[in-house]
Amino acid sequence: GAGVSQSPSNKVTEKGKDVELRCDPISGHTALYWYRQSLGQGLEFLIYFQGNSAPDKSGLPSDRFSAERTGGSVSTLTIQRTQQEDSAVYLCASSPGLAGGLETQYFGPGTRLLVL
Amino acid sequence: AQSVAQPEDQVNVAEGNPLTVKCTYSVSGNPYLFWYVQYPNRGLQFLLKYITGDNLVKGSYGFEAEFNKSQTSFHLKKPSALVSDSALYFCAVRDIMDTGRRALTFGSGTRLQVQP
Repeated sequence: GAGVSQSPSNKVTEKGKDVELRCDPISGHTALYWYRQSLGQGLEFLIYFQGNSAPDKSGLPSDRFSAERTGGSVSTLTIQRTQQEDSAVYLCASSPGLAGGLETQYFGPGTRLLVL
Repeated sequence: AQSVAQPEDQVNVAEGNPLTVKCTYSVSGNPYLFWYVQYPNRGLQFLLKYITGDNLVKGSYGFEAEFNKSQTSFHLKKPSALVSDSALYFCAVRDIMDTGRRALTFGSGTRLQVQP
């Protein structure tokens, strides 16, 4: 079956614009994660969705960042009023969402965001 | 709090020689440990994981890792390196007892360069 897919693969935007990044998890996976990979900060957790539960937003770096997950499947990460420090690769991962969460996260190819 | 250290930014090894990529971790409870590999312009690919049981874990592409609780280490190894193993390797940890935080904490990554 298909893996995690993300779109767009690359995004160039101007400072101050809003951007939306999309993630399609593996079919049947109820858990979905967003991470950010940047040169200075490595791989950082942003937000986690599990089924219909309230998301864990503890990793979002500012209120310019938000994410939603519609119908328990596709997720959109939105960055408002982008800043140059938002330039990074945004990675999405999904996992089956089994009890206890002791499971492997499978990653998509990422969206490379460049803010000019 | 949980953390991961990968003390080497880069590891160089000749093709056919054994390789080791080091990882140490810190968690309050028991660790749930992963290794992922990232090829250029690609997402993270799962290699192997440790939850409980045998301290030597075997994974994809001939890689294995040894869990050492007393040294809080989870070093990645391969008996004979291939040029195609050249990539960026990430160690990650989750505290099994922390049921509220499902996200992984990643190390800074180690670039493996295998010379022909």
